[in-house]
Amino acid sequence: DTEVTQTPKHLVMGMTNKKSLKCEQHMGHRAMYWYKQKAKKPPELMFVYSYEKLSINESVPSRFSPECPNSSLLNLHLHALQPEDSALYLCASSQGMVAEQFFGPGTRLTVL
Amino acid sequence: GENVEQHPSTLSVQEGDSAVIKCTYSDSASNYFPWYKQELGKRPQLIIDIRSNVGEKKDQRIAVTLNKTAKHFSLHITETQPEDSAVYFCAASPGNNRLAFGKGNQVVVIP
Repeated sequence: DTEVTQTPKHLVMGMTNKKSLKCEQHMGHRAMYWYKQKAKKPPELMFVYSYEKLSINESVPSRFSPECPNSSLLNLHLHALQPEDSALYLCASSQGMVAEQFFGPGTRLTVL
Repeated sequence: GENVEQHPSTLSVQEGDSAVIKCTYSDSASNYFPWYKQELGKRPQLIIDIRSNVGEKKDQRIAVTLNKTAKHFSLHITETQPEDSAVYFCAASPGNNRLAFGKGNQVVVIP
């Protein structure tokens, strides 16, 4: 399996809801990432997990909570989001620190 | 941190012509330079990358050149086709799991 998969593809949630985004890869990659992408902008790094430990948090608000249950899975828990959090959320993985990052198809999130 | 600038922001080319996108970076420690293509509504896809120990790399119609002294790298697409129309992002990494992306370049190939 040479792909990064993400579920769901689309998510609409209210500001009081709690939801989770899921990401999975079976390439044996040891680094996994969450990015946020707004329309016509580059991806913005949110979190990096390296060997299942959080190594980078780019000052992301606490309403976003990442989790890495094992080396193949990455979750992003969402709570009390704001409409400005609406974006495409991309997961990526890589073999190491200076290696190709492969992106999943993303979850299109809309916060009402 | 690393800062990547990408020019031009939009590029229109006739089908069959060549397209060139240029990026500059600020951190001399950066040693990995990937290029991503993103079609509308799709994921960014890695199309080519280059490391700092190489000056040029080619893959069919796509090539990337790197000038470490001037801190710039460029993407060259030859014999452009309509399916090359997309947003192209350059990026640079000093090897700390971070990729600093350029703002992107919209390439439009006119049939």
